[in-house]
Amino acid sequence: KNEVEQSPQNLTAQEGEFITINCSYSVGISALHWLQQHPGGGIVSLFMLSSGKKKHGRLIATINIQEKHSSLHITASHPRDSAVYICAASTGTASKLTFGTGTRLQVTL
Amino acid sequence: EADIYQTPRYLVIGTGKKITLECSQTMGHDKMYWYQQDPGMELHLIHYSYGVNSTEKGDLSSESTVSRIRTEHFPLTLESARPSHTSQYLCASSRQGTGELFFGEGSRLTVL
Repeated sequence: KNEVEQSPQNLTAQEGEFITINCSYSVGISALHWLQQHPGGGIVSLFMLSSGKKKHGRLIATINIQEKHSSLHITASHPRDSAVYICAASTGTASKLTFGTGTRLQVTL
Repeated sequence: EADIYQTPRYLVIGTGKKITLECSQTMGHDKMYWYQQDPGMELHLIHYSYGVNSTEKGDLSSESTVSRIRTEHFPLTLESARPSHTSQYLCASSRQGTGELFFGEGSRLTVL
């Protein structure tokens, strides 16, 4: 069993829908990263958080340390949001990151 | 926009060849990382460096080697490539203090 579990594995949504991707982890962490990987393979860091909530544009990330759970929300989804979203738990420095297998999101018109 | 660059983006080579994947960053980050990712699978750390002349192996055993002679440059070398090395290799660096990660575009290696 992976120490970082994401759900769902695959998600299809229509443009404009509100999307939630969940991440649960079983290790004690210092920070939780949300990453976005486009089909070309490059990865962009969306959020790094250790408590509470962060917002950037249409993206919102929350974390509940007690429940060892984080969520990534996308409001008013758009086809350009189609990508794989990866959750990663840091137990120290970035050399101690444990990655989830990712959630593949497809947003259709 | 991240200032971290990887070359080549795509490489197809024959078994037994020596290859070097280049990674450079212009952000002055001390910490750099190499990850390996098979299609549809999670990333695995294969090497990391906390600064010049510092290199460590990651969680996933790899036959590759790395060097860190300059802060901005962290190349990965395979002395004799094999089909089992076919994968995507992603380089990253992290900002001091915050730990925010910056990734390159990746190098997709195919060994025939």
